[in-house]
Amino acid sequence: SAVISQKPSRDICQRGTSLTIQCQVDSQVTMMFWYRQQPGQSLTLIATANQGSEATYESGFVIDKFPISRPNLTFSTLTVSNMSPEDSSIYLCSVQTGLLTDTQYFGPGTRLTVL
Amino acid sequence: AQKITQTQPGMFVQEKEAVTLDCTYDTSDPSYGLFWYKQPSSGEMIFLIYQGSYDQQNATEGRYSLNFQKARKSANLVISASQLGDSAMYFCAMSLSGGYQKVTFGTGTKLQVIP
Repeated sequence: SAVISQKPSRDICQRGTSLTIQCQVDSQVTMMFWYRQQPGQSLTLIATANQGSEATYESGFVIDKFPISRPNLTFSTLTVSNMSPEDSSIYLCSVQTGLLTDTQYFGPGTRLTVL
Repeated sequence: AQKITQTQPGMFVQEKEAVTLDCTYDTSDPSYGLFWYKQPSSGEMIFLIYQGSYDQQNATEGRYSLNFQKARKSANLVISASQLGDSAMYFCAMSLSGGYQKVTFGTGTKLQVIP
């Protein structure tokens, strides 16, 4: 398994502003994933982040809105840009600890409210 | 594409009783993994149990067991001896095996344990 931390744990932001969410893992991992969970909904993958290359975005998500950085093998950030109330969600990062396992472990999530 | 269906939006169970949460899945790929996650009101996603598509035996982890019926494409979670702390949302999920794959989630089942 892996121990994953996220900062901030929650935030309340004004529309039009941006928030950067940090994800830290206690071991080196090749791939990190960012998911969004809108209120009362299931999780949806935003993008996958491989160290040293640009993130790969799912359909419906774009880099200008959700820029991602992956500077090393234990850290990643997701920025939610130019926020609107529709961006109010829980944002979760996850990791897959290796190619021999399918399991993804999740961080505690960042609960974002946009006013 | 993979699809997960959870048909029980909510379930009640008496403390110390067993409960089964239903999950069916759809994929044309022969190699995949099935997961169950627990999400308390705090928002974190807690990994509970994993079943690989080629595993001959049903997975068990403590009080959790996964009833895997491959021909029926079902992967039900059984929680034995329910505890009050089991009250949470439960998500069934799957991913293809091999490499780094996204996890596809069901809509979740809200379990409430009654004292």
